[in-house]
Amino acid sequence: KQEVTQIPAALSVPEGENLVLNCSFTDSAIYNLQWFRQDPGKGLTSLLLIQSSQREQTSGRLNASLDKSSGRSTLYIAASQPGDSATYLCAVRPQGGSEKLVFGKGTKLTVNP
Amino acid sequence: EPEVTQTPSHQVTQMGQEVILRCVPISNHLYFYWYRQILGQKVEFLVSFYNNEISEKSEIFDDQFSVERPDGSNFTLKIRSTKLEDSAMYFCASIPTDRRGEKLFFGSGTQLSVL
Repeated sequence: KQEVTQIPAALSVPEGENLVLNCSFTDSAIYNLQWFRQDPGKGLTSLLLIQSSQREQTSGRLNASLDKSSGRSTLYIAASQPGDSATYLCAVRPQGGSEKLVFGKGTKLTVNP
Repeated sequence: EPEVTQTPSHQVTQMGQEVILRCVPISNHLYFYWYRQILGQKVEFLVSFYNNEISEKSEIFDDQFSVERPDGSNFTLKIRSTKLEDSAMYFCASIPTDRRGEKLFFGSGTQLSVL
């Protein structure tokens, strides 16, 4: 059974700092991996999607990497801003035709002005 | 940018009552999903729906749950007889035709409280 773990559970940094969020998964047979952002009381916004054949994806100040064989992904946020404060969720879609995403519990990020 | 719309944003009900949660997916999307998040826990998959039928469901999605697309635009989740443990945030999501390559678009959720 696929399990997704995110470390740390919470992170507080000063504005301008570069930071890395970690995600690990137990079964390397994945189709893709997505990083989401969740604001309090709101839905999830997809940030980056990495297909299993890819190593990384970039969008603006965000860069996500994938090492499928070791079951790890990282989300790098450059020059963090207070507006980046949110919970960041990692989710994997298994291979084999399954529809579902399996989520981690998230990392709650606070960027202090 | 197009959005997935969910109503109501909050729903309070008594244990044993039926509830219907409503979603309007993005208009050119063909694959639809329900997820839920119990307070403090992970987001969990409930069900996927394509071509007017369920394509996959989790063990959570038992006989008390049902989904339908009654009019070609709305997508609903019905819980027939709510239990206390059904209290959660319920998210609707959708993706376009090419389901595998696309990001999932989520609605802002319905917070269900069962008393």
